Amino acid sequence: AAGVIQSPRHLIKEKRETATLKCYPIPRHDTVYWYQQGPGQDPQFLISFYEKMQSDKGSIPDRFSAQQFSDYHSELNMSSLELGDSALYFCASSFGLAGGNEQFFGPGTRLTVL
Amino acid sequence: AQSVTQPDIHITVSEGASLELRCNYSYGATPYLFWYVQSPGQGLQLLLKYFSGDTLVQGIKGFEAEFKRSQSSFNLRKPSVHWSDAAEYFCAVNSGYSTLTFGKGTMLLVSP
Repeated sequence: AAGVIQSPRHLIKEKRETATLKCYPIPRHDTVYWYQQGPGQDPQFLISFYEKMQSDKGSIPDRFSAQQFSDYHSELNMSSLELGDSALYFCASSFGLAGGNEQFFGPGTRLTVL
Repeated sequence: AQSVTQPDIHITVSEGASLELRCNYSYGATPYLFWYVQSPGQGLQLLLKYFSGDTLVQGIKGFEAEFKRSQSSFNLRKPSVHWSDAAEYFCAVNSGYSTLTFGKGTMLLVSP
């Protein structure tokens, strides 16, 4: 079965650079979520989109922005990168916004900021 | 606000022994509860979930969990642990909207 695809899987950037992470949800899933997992930490919710509109916002820094496109894929744009942004970034997708809907997670993008 | 507490950071279990991972949640109403497993460097895989109804839920890989409203708990159990179960386990709660709130995780180590 098709899963959530994230690219790239690994990314190395310098401080103050920008990065773009991409997420391709499971076909027919209309909701995408972004989570950040720091080293040894639990995943923290950043932002979500439903039908191309922002549906919820968590602890996403102002330096980050995201959007969902017409084909439902999503991109997380990160600017002025800081050392503390080094983390595993997960994308998850679901069908619909209801709380009980299962979120399927991608393998993550490991971002390292030097 | 909803929150999840996993009181055990690490647990070591002998292979073949039983396992129980603890999870307590804080939320005003009955939440949606989930257990995810994460192998090193990997994504999160859903083991099981509770929405309503039978308080004992069965999941994949032989795992089960029991929802106890009186104790605000959703503990994960497995009768016989295999070495391949070594991973980090996250309990998560969803209030009925979309955001998942995770616990800090419990790292399971399996000894021979």
